[in-house]
Amino acid sequence: QKEVEQDPGPLSVPEGAIVSLNCTYSNSAFQYFMWYRQYSRKGPELLMYTYSSGNKEDGRFTAQVDKSSKYISLFIRDSQPSDSATYLCATYTGANSKLTFGKGITLSVRP
Amino acid sequence: EPEVTQTPSHQVTQMGQEVILRCVPISNHLYFYWYRQILGQKVEFLVSFYNNEISEKSEIFDDQFSVERPDGSNFTLKIRSTKLEDSAMYFCASISGSVEKLFFGSGTQLSVL
Repeated sequence: QKEVEQDPGPLSVPEGAIVSLNCTYSNSAFQYFMWYRQYSRKGPELLMYTYSSGNKEDGRFTAQVDKSSKYISLFIRDSQPSDSATYLCATYTGANSKLTFGKGITLSVRP
Repeated sequence: EPEVTQTPSHQVTQMGQEVILRCVPISNHLYFYWYRQILGQKVEFLVSFYNNEISEKSEIFDDQFSVERPDGSNFTLKIRSTKLEDSAMYFCASISGSVEKLFFGSGTQLSVL
């Protein structure tokens, strides 16, 4: 069973749209849930993280975790062309353990 | 902002050759990682390193791979005899404390011909 599954892409939306990106995971030991943004030929950059269940908001971005259904979401409001990138969900048990990534989804926001 | 530095950015090698990928982690970080990403696939964990020894490694990290921290600043990944399937982007990462302080380098694109 794959540990982290991410909705396949690519995804193309018009500027100003609300974007919903989703992942599921299988390991109940995961405590931290992250979203990374990756530009072409660059390393992943942490966008947001959430510890355990709940929501976290940062500007136009909202991260949501539902541990009961093992579901992770990232919402982007008022999407901008500059949001065009690959978005990776990742999970982490904590204590400097390894990250487990989803496959990533490439988002394109059309002007 | 702190930065993990990786060199070279792109390495081309012949199958069977040894390669060394270099990383300079953030100076006060204590845990170091190598991940790789084959084109079109997930970012995969290879190995973690703490206190001058491997703390965890994946199935991918077989006897052909080794890591070393030869001095106080560098962290290297060596592949002894490269295979075609080792072609990937290799990312170094370092962390000190909480996950928001885990930083990735820009990667080394390894092409094995």
